Amino acid sequence: EPEVTQTPSHQVTQMGQEVILRCVPISNHLYFYWYRQILGQKVEFLVSFYNNEISEKSEIFDDQFSVERPDGSNFTLKIRSTKLEDSAMYFCASSEVGQTPYGYTFGSGTRLTVV
Amino acid sequence: AQSVSQHNHHVILSEAASLELGCNYSYGGTVNLFWYVQYPGQHLQLLLKYFSGDPLVKGIKGFEAEFIKSKFSFNLRKPSVQWSDTAEYFCAVNGRGSQGNLIFGKGTKLSVKP
Repeated sequence: EPEVTQTPSHQVTQMGQEVILRCVPISNHLYFYWYRQILGQKVEFLVSFYNNEISEKSEIFDDQFSVERPDGSNFTLKIRSTKLEDSAMYFCASSEVGQTPYGYTFGSGTRLTVV
Repeated sequence: AQSVSQHNHHVILSEAASLELGCNYSYGGTVNLFWYVQYPGQHLQLLLKYFSGDPLVKGIKGFEAEFIKSKFSFNLRKPSVQWSDTAEYFCAVNGRGSQGNLIFGKGTKLSVKP
């Protein structure tokens, strides 16, 4: 069964450092997403990406965040200057078609710890 | 404001007990509704989804959920839980035409005692 792959599974970084979280979506999917889950809280939408541009973003996704699809397979989330409150589990997801519930697949997540 | 409420933070059951996890949503317009499960150390997996038709939806592993539009609810049920159902369960909603962005509830942790 096709999977969304995320690396690393766990990353520890110092406050103020830049981090890049990597995702390999399912190959024939067209929509890509990042979500995050702060410990003990709900899963929150960050950003959606289609046709090489951001299609929607939440209030959380401020200027410190950026996304990129640098090649045909990877989808990255960059946090420029991490803060303690960025510590969370970050989930990547992809779907074939953005406006239906079909084929919406999540990765295993990257646990980011900012110290 | 768009939101999803899951009433129980942690539910503890014995094997063979029946399960019902509550989910209420607030969302303007027509919605798609989902239940996801997250087993320890694993990714979110889709249990079931509703977007039209029969409001009683059957999913994997014997789970079902009923969409009651008048109550804005989408409760998850299973008649007899197993130890392997121990996981966290998330209710989520998105709107038709929202490009798929999901709004999640806080999750309900289910612990099943053998």
